[in-house]
Parts: sequence; C-alpha cells; structure tokens
Amino acid sequence: GQNIDQPTEMTATEGAIVQINCTYQTSGFNGLFWYQQHAGEAPTFLSYNVLDGLEEKGRFSSFLSRSKGYSYLLLKELQMKDSASYLCAVRDGGAAGNKLTFGGGTRVLVKP
Amino acid sequence: DGGITQSPKYLFRKEGQNVTLSCEQNLNHDAMYWYRQDPGQGLRLIYYSQIVNDFQKGDIAEGYSVSREKKESFPLTVTSAQKNPTAFYLCASRGQGSGNTIYFGEGSWLTVV
Repeated sequence: GQNIDQPTEMTATEGAIVQINCTYQTSGFNGLFWYQQHAGEAPTFLSYNVLDGLEEKGRFSSFLSRSKGYSYLLLKELQMKDSASYLCAVRDGGAAGNKLTFGGGTRVLVKP
Repeated sequence: DGGITQSPKYLFRKEGQNVTLSCEQNLNHDAMYWYRQDPGQGLRLIYYSQIVNDFQKGDIAEGYSVSREKKESFPLTVTSAQKNPTAFYLCASRGQGSGNTIYFGEGSWLTVV
C-alpha cells in the first residue's frame, strides 16, 4: 500500500515562493504526480516525476528523490489565483495496476 | 471536444435508495477510476478498471458497485449499504504509457437528504 504525507495548510504572500513537501512510503513506485484543485472543482494536472531530479514548468517546479521517498512542489512568483489545494499522488506499478493514491492535499492561501 | 463527462453534477438521494453516477470518456483511454472526496480531504480510490469487463476494488469499495461493459463508460452505483455517501465523486481516466497522467471529469456532488 501507499502512505503519503503533506502539510495541511500553508500561507504565503503574493509574489513570494512557497515549497510544498510530500513524503511517501510505498510498496511499489511508478511515478509521482502533483495536481492543483480549486475549491469545488476537479483536480488539474501540474507535473509528473518518475526519475530523481527537478522538473521545471514555468512558475511551477517539482522535485523527486526516490531514495528518500520525498518530493516537493515549488511555486514561484505567487499570484492570488494560486490559492488552491495541491495534491501529491503516487502511482503503483506492476500487479497493482497503476493505481494512483493521493495524499490529503495542502491548502495554500496567497495573501496580498 | 475530447474529455470525461460526469452526470449528474448534483444529485440528492433519500436514505435507502441506490443511485448511479455516470462517467463517459471519448479519449480512448483503457483505464478508468472513481474517487471520493470529502470536504477538506484528499481523494480516496473507490474502484478502478484497467480494461473492459474487468475492475478492481480500491481502498473504500464497500457500499459501491461498478461495471465496465464498454470502454467509454464506467458508471458507479452508490448503494444503500454505503452509510455516509454525501461527498464529491470524481471519475478519471488514463491512457497507455507509464508517463500518461490521469485526467478528471468535473465531478458529481451527492447529498443524502
């Protein structure tokens, strides 16, 4: 099975940087995903890491260390519209059938 | 447009009733998933299907049932055995390939009245 931990809430100021950490313990690993979810809406895909290192996509970057069971999502130049929940998810592989297990999500509040 | 369509968006259920949530995708994806989300919580996997006529229980399958008779469709029935069904239900699908991400429908809000 999977156990995925991330902080419940974070607050940051517009224009600043916020780093959301995610730790996981898994019986199998076939990639880690980050999703953004605004209240009452479906999650939208942000990033995918399967190899160690940093993936950068505009203002958003995601890092993975498989040996440490650790990932983070970095949000730069924060904007008010970035206020949302950010979900870390880990995918099983093999016999588990590519199941995607989510953490509880981190609510980020961006203040002016 | 290609995508995942869930219906209805909002549904009210009386206690003791079964209800079925529809999920249709025209992305030609093999794998489909149903998640439940309670307010302020993460997503929990109910059922998933990797191929037509096959599906597996997720972490919270009790009180739910699914079918996968067609590739495009993966309906979820919330039965009367589910004691606390009020939640936001999300359907998702994924294509082939290890890097292919899961895409979500718009979700269905179910409330027991």
